Amino acid sequence: GAVVSQHPSRVICKSGTSVKIECRSLDFQATTMFWYRQFPKKSLMLMATSNEGSKATYEQGVEKDKFLINHASLTLSTLTVTSAHPEDSSFYICSALGLAEPSNEQFFGPGTRLTVL
Amino acid sequence: GDSVTQMEGPVTLSEEAFLTINCTYTATGYPSLFWYVQYPGEGLQLLLKATKADDKGSNKGFEATYRKETTSFHLEKGSVQVSDSAVYFCALSDQSGYALNFGKGTSLLVTP
Repeated sequence: GAVVSQHPSRVICKSGTSVKIECRSLDFQATTMFWYRQFPKKSLMLMATSNEGSKATYEQGVEKDKFLINHASLTLSTLTVTSAHPEDSSFYICSALGLAEPSNEQFFGPGTRLTVL
Repeated sequence: GDSVTQMEGPVTLSEEAFLTINCTYTATGYPSLFWYVQYPGEGLQLLLKATKADDKGSNKGFEATYRKETTSFHLEKGSVQVSDSAVYFCALSDQSGYALNFGKGTSLLVTP
């Protein structure tokens, strides 16, 4: 089946530093990837839609200068949290949209736990 | 805007018990409806889906029927197993089929 990986699985950083999270589709190509944020006991919140070769589309209220998204190839999207602060601590999950039918199925990565001290 | 409401957990059941997790939605148009499952330490996996009214999605003994009249998509299983312990998310996608709107998730614990 379609597999999506994320790296790292968990990261701890100091306030003010930047952290990059990678999302890879391992056995399929994905022109579209999504980034979600999950708070404890809360649902997943869509942050942005990442399209290969073009700028990401951010959801309302998500700071594009803080959460930089790059989708440079059909198998890799990266999320960089710039100048991280403790309130950015969260569980970040990516998903990739399969090219094959059913075309609206998203395949999810295992998530990255970010802790900002 | 579109939204999904699902029952709060955690839900604790004995093995072989009947499971129902309620999910209702608010949406304009005709969304597709999904149930995702997240096992401990793993990513979300699509459990089942339905794309139009009266469709029934089923997988691994789980079922859910798209009820437009009650705007519901309740998840059911006749006999749960310990291995079903996970967090279950109800979700809908808009007519573009891309953006997913998730409920808050319901944690299920099945005890032997």
